Amino acid sequence: DTAVSQTPKYLVTQMGNDKSIKCEQNLGHDTMYWYKQDSKKFLKIMFSYNNKELIINETVPNRFSPKSPDKAHLNLHINSLELGDSAVYFCASSQDPTGGYGYTFGSGTRLTVV
Amino acid sequence: GQNIDQPTEMTATEGAIVQINCTYQTSGFNGLFWYQQHAGEAPTFLSYNVLDGLEEKGRFSSFLSRSKGYSYLLLKELQMKDSASYLCAVRRGSTLGRLYFGRGTQLTVWP
Repeated sequence: DTAVSQTPKYLVTQMGNDKSIKCEQNLGHDTMYWYKQDSKKFLKIMFSYNNKELIINETVPNRFSPKSPDKAHLNLHINSLELGDSAVYFCASSQDPTGGYGYTFGSGTRLTVV
Repeated sequence: GQNIDQPTEMTATEGAIVQINCTYQTSGFNGLFWYQQHAGEAPTFLSYNVLDGLEEKGRFSSFLSRSKGYSYLLLKELQMKDSASYLCAVRRGSTLGRLYFGRGTQLTVWP
């Protein structure tokens, strides 16, 4: 069983389109995150949700809108895609908002905007 | 803000020992993590230090000095499969665990 699963694994789309990435965790964790890894492999936090509520928004453009229908799911919707949005997006989860027991990452979604 | 520095690349041979250093400057420090990331895969948890000292876990050990803003990951008895990127990450905050990553150290293990 995959602990944190993301779909799709690859996404190629044109500038200006709107796309969504889905994430689900079956670990029973309370907190979920979205991270972005750029071409230089720099992994940067975007959002954090705890029990469906947004608790961290790291100055991400409002074209990015996370949605958490329940604590096991955290989806990422991106409007009006730009070339600079090309990156690998990782979903992660932790047992609680402190992250004290470590973070489990999904396998990533490679987004390419052309 | 926070500055997390680690070498970009390192190489070593099978069976050797390698030490990957990480220095950081941050406010609200609440722990340091090391992750391993193979190309095209998710980062996987290796170790966690919140107090000064050495944490040993099989072939991998991690050290932390909070006063110096310094950590290292020690890998012993290197194997080819240890070729990967090693990410140092600092957690800030006691109530909300924001995890901030360095740019990673790409380790190549040669036969």
